[in-house]
Order: sequence, then structure tokens, then C-alpha cells
Amino acid sequence: AQKVTQAQTEISVVEKEDVTLDCVYETRDTTYYLFWYKQPPSGELVFLIRRNSFDEQNEISGRYSWNFQKSTSSFNFTITASQVVDSAVYFCALSGGSGTYKYIFGTGTRLKVLA
Amino acid sequence: DAGVIQSPRHEVTEMGQEVTLRCKPISGHDYLFWYRQTMMRGLELLIYFNNNVPIDDSGMPEDRFSAKMPNASFSTLKIQPSEPRDSAVYFCASSLALSRSYNEQFFGPGTRLTVL
Repeated sequence: AQKVTQAQTEISVVEKEDVTLDCVYETRDTTYYLFWYKQPPSGELVFLIRRNSFDEQNEISGRYSWNFQKSTSSFNFTITASQVVDSAVYFCALSGGSGTYKYIFGTGTRLKVLA
Repeated sequence: DAGVIQSPRHEVTEMGQEVTLRCKPISGHDYLFWYRQTMMRGLELLIYFNNNVPIDDSGMPEDRFSAKMPNASFSTLKIQPSEPRDSAVYFCASSLALSRSYNEQFFGPGTRLTVL
């Protein structure tokens, strides 16, 4: 069975601090895809990144970076120099490679960045 | 592109009434997904379509829920009769699945449903 665990329910940081959101996944598929989405207070879900199981390169996009480690089944997300606008719920999701396009979402991590 | 469009954005209804939620996917996308988000259960996939055909409806909670996609640019999720426990935010998402590639899903703004 596939599963995504986001153990951190809520994190509070002060502006300009770095913060890492954890995501651990379980799957028996050899080909799979991992995603991060942001849900700001306005409610929409915003796509941030997709990573496939064959690409373990870390990725950096501005203040955002992602660390994918198959050995530990983790796909962690770091925000550097956090800002108040980063306050949101962040979801990690897994999609299997067995011909299915279904996402399995984690329960989300609520990030509060305090000014 | 306008993105995924959902209507209405908010719906308040009384128990027992029929509710219809509407979705217009991004033009050219061949997958459409309906999700429900609640505090208790998080984000749940209800059903998804490929080229207007339902592929997996295992997430549909009960017979009171039905979904259709009569054409590539329109889908509905209907609840009849509605119950208070159906209160949630319902999201529609679409994606373009290239051969052997899984592309991200783009979500609509959601419909917040309140059943009194």
C-alpha cells in the first residue's frame, strides 16, 4: 500500500529563519512521483514541485529547496529565510507508477511564519 | 489560460437537498479529478476521469454521490440527498498526462459546501 507521512502537524518560526518540512513515503512501485503543494489561507492548492523516482538530484528554486533521498524514502522541503507570505499548509503527495494517476496526499504541515 | 474553474465557490443548502458542483478543466487536459477536503479526513480523491471516462470511483463515499463528465470541458459532482457530514471543500483538478509521464495536477479554487 502507498502512504505519505507528514509527521509535523504545525511549525512556527520567526521570519528569516530557515525551516524544513518533512515528508516520508511508502510505496512498492519502482517508478513513482512525488509532489509538494502549498495551500495558503485563501484555500487554493498551488503546485510547487514534481520529482520522479529516478531523479535524486536536489532542486533549488529561489528560497525553496527539496532533498529527495530514496534510501530513507524521504522528500523534504526547506524554505530558506522564511517570510510571512510562506505561511500556509504544505502537502506532500505520492503518485504510483502502476498506470495510476492517483495522488496519495499526506496530512499536511501548517507553517506559521511570525513577523 | 484561465486555470481550472469551479462553481459555485460557496454553497449553503439544507439537509436532503440536491447539490451540484461544476468544474471546467484546463483546455487540453485529459485527466480530471474530484477531491474532498475536511479537517478530519484531509484531502481525499473521490473519482477521476480520463478522456471523459470514469477510471476510478472507489473514493466516492456512497450512492448519494455521482459524477459525470459529458465532454472534455465540463464535469459535475452531484450529491443527492445531501447530509451535514458532506460539508467540506470540494476541489476539482486537471492534468495533462503525456505518454509515460506523470504531470502535476492543477487545482481549481474549490467549492465550500455547507449542509445545514
